[in-house]
Amino acid sequence: GESVGLHLPTLSVQEGDNSIINCAYSNSASDYFIWYKQESGKGPQFIIDIRSNMDKRQGQRVTVLLNKTVKHLSLQIAATQPGDSAVYFCAETARGYNKLIFGAGTRLAVHP
Amino acid sequence: NAGVMQNPRHLVRRRGQEARLRCSPMKGHSHVYWYRQLPEEGLKFMVYLQKENIIDESGMPKERFSAEFPKEGPSILRIQQVVRGDSAAYFCASSETGSGTEAFFGQGTRLTVV
Repeated sequence: GESVGLHLPTLSVQEGDNSIINCAYSNSASDYFIWYKQESGKGPQFIIDIRSNMDKRQGQRVTVLLNKTVKHLSLQIAATQPGDSAVYFCAETARGYNKLIFGAGTRLAVHP
Repeated sequence: NAGVMQNPRHLVRRRGQEARLRCSPMKGHSHVYWYRQLPEEGLKFMVYLQKENIIDESGMPKERFSAEFPKEGPSILRIQQVVRGDSAAYFCASSETGSGTEAFFGQGTRLTVV
């Protein structure tokens, strides 16, 4: 289940289940979105991106969905594995901008 | 082709000392970005530099913080007279084109102020 406390919200799933991580973005002008995975002690690692002219994009085991009406982004991970345990961040930017605006992050905990 | 290299990986400074964080971008990349991450939070943009120029420093604190990216050598993020609140992970990213969307991140420098 999902819990929110003083720290990052945590999503706990069983190995093999599908995971859905959600993100609300802030800027209506944002037209490019990226999901990053950050393992403990490491830098953000690119997972998948999507432009605002799309509402869905699929990669290997991952799918990103974009709902511009409600400014919502989600990351779906199929058949979650222990190696997927990490903190996941969404980031937004706009054409012509040079910086990324990161969301607060969600910790994914995968249990065997 | 090595990735973005940051050093040191861990840095401990006493209050009032100076901290110097280094970032060597990927080969062929002339655009560098610095981000700060507090524990349990997302990354916050600090500054964007191109060789010898600061392009956007809108996320940099007005005092004590400075950044440079000289013609030769790594980019340096410098924090003078550090305080406990500066304790964080500092990440550098680089890109070839200047688009923040195509940036690759380093492993970060974890600064602890004691």
